Amino acid sequence: NFMLTQPHSVSESPGKTVTISCTRSSGSIASNYVQWYQQRPGGSPTTVIYENNQRPSGVPDRFSGSIDSSSNSASLTISGLKTEDEADYHCQSYDNSNHVVFGGGTRLTVL
Amino acid sequence: QVQLVESGGGLVKPGGSLRLSCAASGFTFSDYYMSWVRQAPGKGLEWVSYISSRGSTISYGDSVKGRFTISRDNAKNSLYLQMNSLRAEDTAVYYCARDFGPTYNWFDPWGQGTLVTVSS
Repeated sequence: NFMLTQPHSVSESPGKTVTISCTRSSGSIASNYVQWYQQRPGGSPTTVIYENNQRPSGVPDRFSGSIDSSSNSASLTISGLKTEDEADYHCQSYDNSNHVVFGGGTRLTVL
Repeated sequence: QVQLVESGGGLVKPGGSLRLSCAASGFTFSDYYMSWVRQAPGKGLEWVSYISSRGSTISYGDSVKGRFTISRDNAKNSLYLQMNSLRAEDTAVYYCARDFGPTYNWFDPWGQGTLVTVSS
């Protein structure tokens, strides 16, 4: 099985842009879709990106997702940061046996 | 709207058992895979188990295999997780989530979670 590695924490100022990475340890990042979940303090996860770069209805277009085969990683980019974006962000994928893998989560601080 | 509500969490001694339930509403429950995902205090998310729409395909994470059993009752729009031989490291908030498997395993929405504490 593979692992997904995320930075433990990132911080940025309101109005700026931040990118959170999610690196796959083995196998191609392009082999299986990557999802991103936002989890505000005390709350349940909600989907902000699915299938690498798709936004569910209701998620603002400030959120975007991508994958990069050269670095074997996925990225979540949030532009025009707002204080309400402060949360934990978790990436998730799966293997060809449908075993699900989560990254360790990244704490985003908007200061 | 689509809603998932977990119940059944609580305090249990090591070696004990607990059964979690998840009540689904707002969608055709029998059309979807369902999963359990847990989160230990201060830690990341860990997938526990999934079950196919009719219950014929089931998979478990390595840390719970042989101890936990997932099941569903489509007539009652309910998902279950029977947890046996509980250990301190099973302490976590347990979420049920609608799963878009088998082709693409991702989760939406998630329930509010139910806390399981394993301690003597």
